[in-house]
Amino acid sequence: QKEVEQNSGPLSVPEGAIASLNCTYSDRGSQSFFWYRQYSGKSPELIMFIYSNGDKEDGRFTAQLNKASQYVSLLIRDSQPSDSATYLCAVNDAGKSTFGDGTTLTVKP
Amino acid sequence: KAGVTQTPRYLIKTRGQQVTLSCSPISGHRSVSWYQQTPGQGLQFLFEYFSETQRNKGNFPGRFSGRQFSNSRSEMNVSTLELGDSALYLCASSPFGSSYNSPLHFGNGTRLTVT
Repeated sequence: QKEVEQNSGPLSVPEGAIASLNCTYSDRGSQSFFWYRQYSGKSPELIMFIYSNGDKEDGRFTAQLNKASQYVSLLIRDSQPSDSATYLCAVNDAGKSTFGDGTTLTVKP
Repeated sequence: KAGVTQTPRYLIKTRGQQVTLSCSPISGHRSVSWYQQTPGQGLQFLFEYFSETQRNKGNFPGRFSGRQFSNSRSEMNVSTLELGDSALYLCASSPFGSSYNSPLHFGNGTRLTVT
């Protein structure tokens, strides 16, 4: 079992819809959780981070964390074609960031 | 503020050779991490340096090594290159490092091709 698993893609949503990206992790001791966006041919860039159970909102993005279920998600409201990218979930554990394989999102106009 | 700078952007090497990659972190960031990204394996952690000390190491063979200088700049070295080392090598900096839950700021990467 991989340490960080993301829902398999690719994920395709129409413009204006909500995109839901999911991530589970294996180590209950993990303390911080990050979502990065990576456009094709570019390096990852931070979108959001979350440390506490519950929801955290930033503009059109909402991160949700449930440590009991070892689950973290990212919701993108009013999806735009510019949101088309690979989204990487990262979990900080024992002093290093472990990344999931990523979910590729395509937003169709 | 300047971002993370990696040099060179592209490298082509032959099997058996060695290569050195360079990374300059964001000013004030003391932690530098290195990752290997391939289509099949995703982003794999190589190692993290903080204040010139290797603080964490991933599951890579000893051919992969690194160091950090007093100005926080870091270098990564791969010796005896193999075809499987072809990848995008990403450097990331953060103020305090993963131990303090700091997010990572990535450079543009070095694309290494081994022939």
